[in-house]
Amino acid sequence: GNSVTQMEGPVTLSEEAFLTINCTYTATGYPSLFWYVQYPGEGLQLLLKATKADDKGSNKGFEATYRKETTSFHLEKGSVQVSDSAVYFCALRTFTGGGNKLTFGTGTQLKVEL
Amino acid sequence: DAGITQSPRHKVTETGTPVTLRCHQTENHRYMYWYRQDPGHGLRLIHYSYGVKDTDKGEVSDGYSVSRSKTEDFLLTLESATSSQTSVYFCAISESKLGGPGNEQFFGPGTRLTVL
Repeated sequence: GNSVTQMEGPVTLSEEAFLTINCTYTATGYPSLFWYVQYPGEGLQLLLKATKADDKGSNKGFEATYRKETTSFHLEKGSVQVSDSAVYFCALRTFTGGGNKLTFGTGTQLKVEL
Repeated sequence: DAGITQSPRHKVTETGTPVTLRCHQTENHRYMYWYRQDPGHGLRLIHYSYGVKDTDKGEVSDGYSVSRSKTEDFLLTLESATSSQTSVYFCAISESKLGGPGNEQFFGPGTRLTVL
């Protein structure tokens, strides 16, 4: 079956530090890959996505590249801010007769300190 | 922001009682989903709907049922709540099945359910 593995948190960084959150996946076929972000007390929001191999998704300074050869989709940001503190979920999507289904990783909490 | 509301936002109930959670959307999206979020598990799909009266099971459907009598409403029912169903429940919607920007899933704000 499909699965997503993320690095465990919490990840604690100082403001302006470089961020990497690792994500690897197992899936049949050619899934689309996503990063979602959850701020405290809120639902999930789509951060970025990539739909085929070698695609790079980017948004708000975050980037991730779909690497089919390593089955990875690592999230990176060059300079984090306190406002980036949240839980980040890697997910993959497959299609069925009943709509698109997302399989999520367990989430990685990011804490950014001044 | 996608127009998705969930009610109630918080609920405390006792073991063995029935509980119904409501998801309401104003986007006229065809697909609706119920997830539960638990520490160490991320989000797991409970049930989903691909149209009015059309529903199917997700990976953790035992103990839950759903109904969708109108496009805008998707109800999740715990017939007899158990402590293992203490969780945060999220509803999501998506517009189209394949391709294009319409296939993004948008999430509601969540319902925190505690079963004592």
